[in-house]
Amino acid sequence: EDKVVQSPLSLVVHEGDTVTLNCSYEVTNFRSLLWYKQEKKAPTFLFMLTSSGIEKKSGRLSSILDKKELFSILNITATQTGDSAVYLCAVLKAAGNKLTFGGGTRVLVKP
Amino acid sequence: NAGVTQTPKFQVLKTGQSMTLQCAQDMNHEYMSWYRQDPGMGLRLIHYSVGAGITDQGEVPNGYNVSRSTTEDFPLRLLSAAPSQTSVYFCASAEESWGQETQYFGPGTRLLVL
Repeated sequence: EDKVVQSPLSLVVHEGDTVTLNCSYEVTNFRSLLWYKQEKKAPTFLFMLTSSGIEKKSGRLSSILDKKELFSILNITATQTGDSAVYLCAVLKAAGNKLTFGGGTRVLVKP
Repeated sequence: NAGVTQTPKFQVLKTGQSMTLQCAQDMNHEYMSWYRQDPGMGLRLIHYSVGAGITDQGEVPNGYNVSRSTTEDFPLRLLSAAPSQTSVYFCASAEESWGQETQYFGPGTRLLVL
């Protein structure tokens, strides 16, 4: 059975801190791993990772995939209160029909 | 383009009632899907469709039916609502199943079953 596990479940940081979110997976026929940000409504797409070791960056957010150890991390540097959200990781299989989501990490950034 | 729209935004049902959650997209996307999200959990796939006339089950299909008579619409039917179906429901679409990396989500329907 396909499995996507995120850790930690939640964390509280102060503005300016750096956070690292983890996503491990066990799926057959892996195709890509996706990160989403969810702020009380629909998830919004952040990154798609397909190849190991290639960092994706968007402003203060970055992510990398390790296909040998079957995990990905999402880093947020210089956190701001607007980064408070649930961050979801999902894996797409090569068959392409189904996304399997992890349970999410809730991040609260305090002023 | 309106993108992906869902109605209603919020609904309260009594146990045993039936209802249909509506989902529509105006992007001519082939792939559409329904997810439910429960507190502290990620999204779980209920049903999906790779094109008009084609539907398939996801991870948690029991208690739900879908149909895809047009490319635009993908309604989700609750046959006999149960408290365990209290959840937030998201509809999503992508240009085709291989393009789920650019999946668009609707705003969600919050369902409470008493």
